[in-house]
Amino acid sequence: NAGVTQTPKFRILKIGQSMTLQCTQDMNHNYMYWYRQDPGMGLKLIYYSVGAGITDKGEVPNGYNVSRSTTEDFPLRLELAAPSQTSVYFCASSYDGRINEKLFFGSGTQLSVL
Amino acid sequence: AQTVTQSQPEMSVQEAETVTLSCTYDTSESDYYLFWYKQPPSRQMILVIRQEAYKQQNATENRFSVNFQKAAKSFSLKISDSQLGDAAMYFCAYRRNGDKIIFGKGTRLHILP
Repeated sequence: NAGVTQTPKFRILKIGQSMTLQCTQDMNHNYMYWYRQDPGMGLKLIYYSVGAGITDKGEVPNGYNVSRSTTEDFPLRLELAAPSQTSVYFCASSYDGRINEKLFFGSGTQLSVL
Repeated sequence: AQTVTQSQPEMSVQEAETVTLSCTYDTSESDYYLFWYKQPPSRQMILVIRQEAYKQQNATENRFSVNFQKAAKSFSLKISDSQLGDAAMYFCAYRRNGDKIIFGKGTRLHILP
């Protein structure tokens, strides 16, 4: 059982470049999330999705876009990368978003924008 | 707004000893959940333990237990018989109904052999 899979694990971008962080889960989870983790900080929610075709903004959505065309996949798009987007990005999923539900996390993508 | 505060950026404990990680939170809600997540060097976060605010009994999962003080808005994690594999970043988190989960900044735990 693969769980939540993120690719790539590491990436270096130049300022102004674009890229897509891939996230896929094989647990038939409805809810999926993208977080960023800056050094010494907790996780901040970028975007989330409650099901295929439905996405919504989190705390820090500026500079990012998402789509959810299938239950399994939830890619995060960075347009015009900026140094402020240097961070570790985590994708997570849960079955139905209940308050007590645990989140399943991927192993993260470390992104540097230079 | 809800906040989660972990006042200890780093802690160390001798192997086989007991350590307690602190967490306080701020909320005006009466019904919510609290969580501790572990982030090992592999980076993949996993749930350690969770507690419902309406339950007075403290949650326990093997060597991990919590001290939940609702009036004081405190939710500490106790790790007994610390093992080398417990070395990780630990995040306290809060969630109320219909809202997103909020994470603290984390406490890095070192296990000394």
